[in-house]
Amino acid sequence: QVQLQQSGPGLVKPSQTLSLTCAISGDSVSNNIAAWNWIRQSPSRGLEWLGRTYYRSNWYSDYAVSVKGRITINADTSKNQFSLQLNSVTPEDTAVYYCARDHDSLFQHWGQGTLVTVSP
Amino acid sequence: DIQMTQSPSTLSASVGDRVTITCRASQSISSWLAWYQQKPGKAPNLLIYKASSLESGVPSRFSGSGSGTEFTLTISSLQPDDFATYYCQQYNSYSWTFGQGTNVEIK
Repeated sequence: QVQLQQSGPGLVKPSQTLSLTCAISGDSVSNNIAAWNWIRQSPSRGLEWLGRTYYRSNWYSDYAVSVKGRITINADTSKNQFSLQLNSVTPEDTAVYYCARDHDSLFQHWGQGTLVTVSP
Repeated sequence: DIQMTQSPSTLSASVGDRVTITCRASQSISSWLAWYQQKPGKAPNLLIYKASSLESGVPSRFSGSGSGTEFTLTISSLQPDDFATYYCQQYNSYSWTFGQGTNVEIK
């Protein structure tokens, strides 16, 4: 049974960096048929896929155009987890952030969600 | 990015009703479409993939159809547990995009 447990602060100041971590149990971040994603949800933007990292003999990452240049998703194999860093945040980045595992681009396992508010 | 448009945004229905939700893609996505159900405070849950394939454990009253740019999700007989928000997602073209959601509420 794959389980994803998110952690990270719920309040970030404008212009600072949003950092979240997703710990994996029941699977390996190095699984070469899965990918590890971050998705956010807000009333104004709906569900928005942000990016993913995955291992296929090497590590790869893909990012949404809307956040490219501000986002980094990394895997930590020693802790079996992956992380999101989003730089230079504004109030528009306020959302519930989810980590999710996908297989064949289908999101079958999700974290519990973290509400991140960008505010002074 | 491919834009996904759902209709209606809100649907009022009663237990036992047959319910249909439509999702349109801004360009052809073949059958690379999934449907998710989301309840308040929870993450979305995968119901249907490849337009019409039922995810394991999902009740058979849920069905999906369509290809190209137009798709539907049908609930044959609405149950109390089905009042929720439903989202379509295309996975034909990276980056993946979702519809804006359809809230199925009690009439």
